[in-house]
Amino acid sequence: RKEVEQDPGPFNVPEGATVAFNCTYSNSASQSFFWYRQDCRKEPKLLMSVYSSGNEDGRFTAQLNRASQYISLLIRDSKLSDSATYLCVVTSGTYKYIFGTGTRLKVLA
Amino acid sequence: SQTIHQWPATLVQPVGSPLSLECTVEGTSNPNLYWYRQAAGRGLQLLFYSVGIGQISSEVPQNLSASRPQDRQFILSSKKLLLSDSGFYLCAWSSLTNNSPLHFGNGTRLTVT
Repeated sequence: RKEVEQDPGPFNVPEGATVAFNCTYSNSASQSFFWYRQDCRKEPKLLMSVYSSGNEDGRFTAQLNRASQYISLLIRDSKLSDSATYLCVVTSGTYKYIFGTGTRLKVLA
Repeated sequence: SQTIHQWPATLVQPVGSPLSLECTVEGTSNPNLYWYRQAAGRGLQLLFYSVGIGQISSEVPQNLSASRPQDRQFILSSKKLLLSDSGFYLCAWSSLTNNSPLHFGNGTRLTVT
């Protein structure tokens, strides 16, 4: 089993739609969780950290479910500019950051 | 503010040639440093990480090596490149604080011919 698993998609959604991605992780001792966004042929950029109580940043909401070992990302009112690959990241031990393979999102006009 | 510089941006090298990619971080002390590789259409694979000068942890056995000669400098090397070494190489740093995210450089796109 992979340490971090994501549905590769693509998720094709119309502008204005709400879309959600899930990510599962295998190490129950993982402490930190993040969502990154990666545009084609670019470096990943931090979208948001994921906190135990859940957190929101504008149109983006992240949630953590430790019991079921998954994190989620909800995007409301999707924009064309949200089209990208979304990477789930989980820490393993103190120093290692393990990436999922990403979920591709295409927002359609 | 902290910045991370990585160069070159693109590189085309023949099979069997050496490789040296360099990464430097500014605006922070004693960062954790990382090298990742992303093959075409694939996820990010952790290659090396370093928690201090001269301290290198290798995650994947291969013909690559890493060195950290200074606190904020991280170098990825190879003596002889293979075709399978082609990919997008990313340097990243994180701070020592809990829940610190990774911050990436712009990456180096390496094509081995």
